[in-house]
Amino acid sequence: NAGVTQTPKFRVLKTGQSMTLLCAQDMNHEYMYWYRQDPGMGLRLIHYSVGEGTTAKGEVPDGYNVSRLKKQNFLLGLESAAPSQTSVYFCASSVRERPNQRNEQFFGPGTRLTVL
Amino acid sequence: SQQGEEDPQALSIQEGENATMNCSYKTSINNLQWYRQNSGRGLVHLILIRSNEREKHSGRLRVTLDTSKKSSSLLITASRAADTASYFCATAFPDYKLSFGAGTTVTVRA
Repeated sequence: NAGVTQTPKFRVLKTGQSMTLLCAQDMNHEYMYWYRQDPGMGLRLIHYSVGEGTTAKGEVPDGYNVSRLKKQNFLLGLESAAPSQTSVYFCASSVRERPNQRNEQFFGPGTRLTVL
Repeated sequence: SQQGEEDPQALSIQEGENATMNCSYKTSINNLQWYRQNSGRGLVHLILIRSNEREKHSGRLRVTLDTSKKSSSLLITASRAADTASYFCATAFPDYKLSFGAGTTVTVRA
């Protein structure tokens, strides 16, 4: 199993350009997440999904959109990139919330995005 | 806003020594999790402790949770060079929604 994969690994954008980050998981997980990680700040939740066709806002959703058309994929879009969106983006997935289960999240390797 | 705050921000120890880091949080939680991140990589889950538990062990890891003080600690015993990484606590409420702290960077010197 590949686990959680992210494409691309690196990307440089100019201000105002758009792009889509792709996350794929092969563990049949119901829940998927997008985070951003900035120096000294840990991870912050951008958007998440609790199932195919559903999405919800996290802590820092402004400037991003997401879609979950297939259970295994979660897309993060930047419609008009800004320098403040320079960050490392991580996707994660987990099983459906169940009592007394290991509700751990599995992370992808990250996408390093620079907006000039 | 981030729920968890780790202390210290950075820690340097000799191989074989123990490493202890602490996490404080502000609101109610269902569980608290610790993750490790090696440089340039994604996070890897280490251990989860539920709000009704006080202590858990996994190999060389020991986690404690004090819900009255809203704090947790992670102890790594007999550290190795491979333990060099950043460690993050994450509080969960509900179970699937995590809020991460800024992390503790641990360097293990040979």
